[in-house]
Amino acid sequence: EIVMTQSPATLSVSPGERATLSCRASQSVSSDLAWYQQKPGQAPRLLIYGASTRATGIPARFSGSGSGTEFTLTISSLQSEDFAVYYCQQYNGWWTFGQGTKVEIK
Amino acid sequence: QVQLVESGGGVVQPGRSLRLSCAASGFTFSNYGMHWVRQAPGKGLEWVAIIWFDGSNKYYADSVKGRFTISRDNSKNTLYLQMNSLRDEDTAVYHCARDEGAVGGTFFDYWGQGTLVTVSS
Repeated sequence: EIVMTQSPATLSVSPGERATLSCRASQSVSSDLAWYQQKPGQAPRLLIYGASTRATGIPARFSGSGSGTEFTLTISSLQSEDFAVYYCQQYNGWWTFGQGTKVEIK
Repeated sequence: QVQLVESGGGVVQPGRSLRLSCAASGFTFSNYGMHWVRQAPGKGLEWVAIIWFDGSNKYYADSVKGRFTISRDNSKNTLYLQMNSLRDEDTAVYHCARDEGAVGGTFFDYWGQGTLVTVSS
């Protein structure tokens, strides 16, 4: 099983600041990496797929990068609606998720 | 717009069974692979099972293999998860999710809000 490890577990950021979230795979997943946003009581929402392609309707302040085993999700200027938990997921070998990074208001 | 609405959750004793449903609308259901993903209280996401667009292939996580069965009725635009021999550790919110492709192997582009299953004596 491919293990996905996200860091940090919690990120405290002020509105308007930049947030950088990391995700590491235990073996190469090529670019088969997605990012999801989840707010309390809501369904996860697809943000990024193919490591760097924004899903339909996702604002340009969200960007993804990386390939192989190291990936990054960057939120360029945090808005109030961006405070949530973010999960990475690999789909190169079955499907596994990271444990999540909670982005909270500083 | 794409909608996925789960139902069928509840409180069940260990060893008993439960069947979840996921009603799909807003897209051609029979063209897409579908998944179940669960989330234990306060925990992360765990993939449970996938079924191909036509129901011809099904795959399961090791944690549920032999106990859970995924199925679909394309005439009713509905996905199912039959859960047998339930254990305490199966307690979770169960989400259905659409695969971007017909036969899986890709990401999940739409999710339902989930239905809570609590296994407790």
